[in-house]
Amino acid sequence: AQKITQTQPGMFVQEKEAVTLDCTYDTSDPSYGLFWYKQPSSGEMIFLIYQGSYDQQNATEGRYSLNFQKARKSANLVISASQLGDSAMYFCAMRVSSAPIFGTGTRLKVLA
Amino acid sequence: EAGVTQSPTHLIKTRGQQATLRCSPISGHTSVYWYQQALGLGLQFLLWYDEGEERNRGNFPPRFSGRQFPNYSSELNVNALELEDSALYLCASSFYLVGGGAFFGQGTRLTVV
Repeated sequence: AQKITQTQPGMFVQEKEAVTLDCTYDTSDPSYGLFWYKQPSSGEMIFLIYQGSYDQQNATEGRYSLNFQKARKSANLVISASQLGDSAMYFCAMRVSSAPIFGTGTRLKVLA
Repeated sequence: EAGVTQSPTHLIKTRGQQATLRCSPISGHTSVYWYQQALGLGLQFLLWYDEGEERNRGNFPPRFSGRQFPNYSSELNVNALELEDSALYLCASSFYLVGGGAFFGQGTRLTVV
């Protein structure tokens, strides 16, 4: 069975600091994709970053990077230099040979 | 390039009625996914369509159904609406089983009264 786990219901970070949001996954399929999405209070799901299971390097997109540790089955999101606009729900997701499945999310609050 | 578009943005229905939600995928994407997000909760997978066929279905009753048209747009129908169907319904699209992200529309907020 496939599963995504986010163990941090809520996180606080000071503006301009870096923060790591945890995500672990479980699948026996060697081919999969991992994603992170941001959901502000407006409800839209904003795609942030993607990591393929065969990608050798960790994915980066601007201030976002994905710390991919295959052996540990973890795909943590690192946000550098946090901004007030980063306050939102963050969802980790995995796609194997079916529709993407999502974790329960982490609510991030950036403090001024 | 246009993103995923959903209509309507908001929908208010009475218990027992039917609701129809629409989704247009990103050009070139053949897969469309539907998710339900109740207030304050995570995303629950509803349906996956690709090339006009239902590929997978989540743990929802049969009154949740849909279809995908030849232009890859999709409809989600919810029959015999219940109060607990009130939620944000999100549609996403992607290439079929190819690496890369699934991209979401802005959602349809369905309220059942």
